[in-house]
Amino acid sequence: NAGVMQNPRHLVRRRGQEARLRCSPMKGHSHVYWYRQLPEEGLKFMVYLQKENIIDESGMPKERFSAEFPKEGPSILRIQQVVRGDSAAYFCASSPRPGDTDTQYFGPGTRLTVL
Amino acid sequence: KNEVEQSPQNLTAQEGEFITINCSYSVGISALHWLQQHPGGGIVSLFMLSSGKKKHGRLIATINIQEKHSSLHITASHPRDSAVYICAVNSGAGSYQLTFGKGTKLSVIP
Repeated sequence: NAGVMQNPRHLVRRRGQEARLRCSPMKGHSHVYWYRQLPEEGLKFMVYLQKENIIDESGMPKERFSAEFPKEGPSILRIQQVVRGDSAAYFCASSPRPGDTDTQYFGPGTRLTVL
Repeated sequence: KNEVEQSPQNLTAQEGEFITINCSYSVGISALHWLQQHPGGGIVSLFMLSSGKKKHGRLIATINIQEKHSSLHITASHPRDSAVYICAVNSGAGSYQLTFGKGTKLSVIP
């Protein structure tokens, strides 16, 4: 059973471009969480999704950021018109049940660098 | 909003030493997690606990709900244990959001 997959592992974008980060949860997991780790800071919750539904996006910036988890395919975190402050490591995690009753399994992360 | 504090921030130990990392939180929780972040950046979930004590190999995690405190112990430490150890909490029933501490950077010297 493969673990949580994220791609790309490293992404370089220029200011103003779009960044698309992908997360494939573990097989059988329908709950996906996105976290951001800014340089020299702790991890912060961004968004929680179930298949086709955003359950909680309270940690996501109101502008430029969006997330989806379609019926088929990976979860996508999309950042439009990236700025230097978006440079961070973005981690996805998945669980078979809601995270307060189950361990969350983390992917390897995508390191976004904005030039 | 839950505040999660870890101590120490940095810890250097000699191989073989017994290590303790502490975590305190400010508001009642439904579960507490200990995570390990490798030097390469990947994150591994070590423990999820809501009461008592759990053991896995040389790692032991304990939690005291009344005192809002948890400890992670490593027995017979080894250089491969060098990593950042992160405490995270689910704040209350139905709360799937994790609130994270800033981590404890552990270096084990041969």
